[in-house]
Amino acid sequence: QKEVEQNSGPLSVPEGAIASLNCTYSDRGSQSFFWYRQYSGKSPELIMFIYSNGDKEDGRFTAQLNKASQYVSLLIRDSQPSDSATYLCAASNRDDKIIFGKGTRLHILP
Amino acid sequence: DAGVTQSPTHLIKTRGQQVTLRCSPKSGHDTVSWYQQALGQGPQFIFQYYEEEERQRGNFPDRFSGHQFPNYSSELNVNALLLGDSALYLCASSLAETSAIVNNEQFFGPGTRLTVL
Repeated sequence: QKEVEQNSGPLSVPEGAIASLNCTYSDRGSQSFFWYRQYSGKSPELIMFIYSNGDKEDGRFTAQLNKASQYVSLLIRDSQPSDSATYLCAASNRDDKIIFGKGTRLHILP
Repeated sequence: DAGVTQSPTHLIKTRGQQVTLRCSPKSGHDTVSWYQQALGQGPQFIFQYYEEEERQRGNFPDRFSGHQFPNYSSELNVNALLLGDSALYLCASSLAETSAIVNNEQFFGPGTRLTVL
């Protein structure tokens, strides 16, 4: 069974601090990894994708991938109250089936 | 540039009934995937359609079926509804050729909230 695991949280982070979200995956054949943000009652919104080992930065967001450890993370710098949401980690292999984790609830404290 | 659209936004059905949900992909996309998201869970992959055929299927019973039309829009049909089918049903679109370079970005529609009583 291919799985993506995330801590459900909630993860509470003070405004302005760095929020660190983590994810592990079981399928070594996974090649692409995604972070989605989902506000309550809304659909997931793609934040970033990564498929090479190392870091990928986009604005306040940095995705990190370590294929040897089967580990993906998302860092959010200068956290804002609007970043409060559920963050979904997802993995995909060449068959295009995307497997999602259950999500981590992030709460930014004003 | 039109994003992914879904209809209806909300739906209430009773057990045993049948339901049809609709999705129009983002402009320029040719692949549609359907997901079921129960409360507090991540989206679960139901199936994917490309070139009017089901290309991949997740672990869902045959009560769940779909269709893709020549204009790339898609329908999800669920027969003999159960209480456990109550969920947010999400449609996501992507461009098939991006799969070859392992990006496979999928963009989600707003979802259809199905309640089965």
